[in-house]
Amino acid sequence: AQSVTQPDIHITVSEGASLELRCNYSYGATPYLFWYVQSPGQGLQLLLKYFSGDTLVQGIKGFEAEFKRSQSSFNLRKPSVHWSDAAEYFCAVGPLGTDKLIFGTGTRLQVFP
Amino acid sequence: DTGVSQDPRHKITKRGQNVTFRCDPISEHNRLYWYRQTLGQGPEFLTYFQNEAQLEKSRLLSDRFSAERPKGSFSTLEIQRTEQGDSAMYLCASSLAISPGTEAFFGQGTRLTVV
Repeated sequence: AQSVTQPDIHITVSEGASLELRCNYSYGATPYLFWYVQSPGQGLQLLLKYFSGDTLVQGIKGFEAEFKRSQSSFNLRKPSVHWSDAAEYFCAVGPLGTDKLIFGTGTRLQVFP
Repeated sequence: DTGVSQDPRHKITKRGQNVTFRCDPISEHNRLYWYRQTLGQGPEFLTYFQNEAQLEKSRLLSDRFSAERPKGSFSTLEIQRTEQGDSAMYLCASSLAISPGTEAFFGQGTRLTVV
């Protein structure tokens, strides 16, 4: 069955520190891969997506993600976290041939000043 | 264009009552999706429309749930005989499906509480 695993439920970092959020997926082929962010009271916002080509993708707000086929991973990174990055982050896959998204359970990021 | 709009933002209802939510997608977006998000979980796909046609329904969508998109614009999601387990955030998203994997834009959701 198709699934997305975000092993870290909650991560706390200091402002200015680097960040890596993990995402692993289970799917027969390489699906479309997405990272969304959800701030309190806000809708889900797309940070970045991977379809094919360069395995390092750049997104908005200084985020990037690297697709590693051998590890079935699509980890999200940011070199220097800002207090405004505190939010819930969701990894999602879009199985080929469909337009629905399968989301992970999310990682809540807390940023200390 | 103000993005995907959902109404109401919050709904409290008694168990057994019927509720209806509305979603107004981004203009000219031909695809509209409904997801459900419970506390501590990621959104789960419920159903989606291309124009007025409902193309896929999740097994999560029991026969108490019905969704419509009568003119290919706004959509409604109705839950009949609500149960406490229906308490969740109901999210709507829309996209212009010109190619696979097109970005979906999400609304802020309707939070349903069944008491």
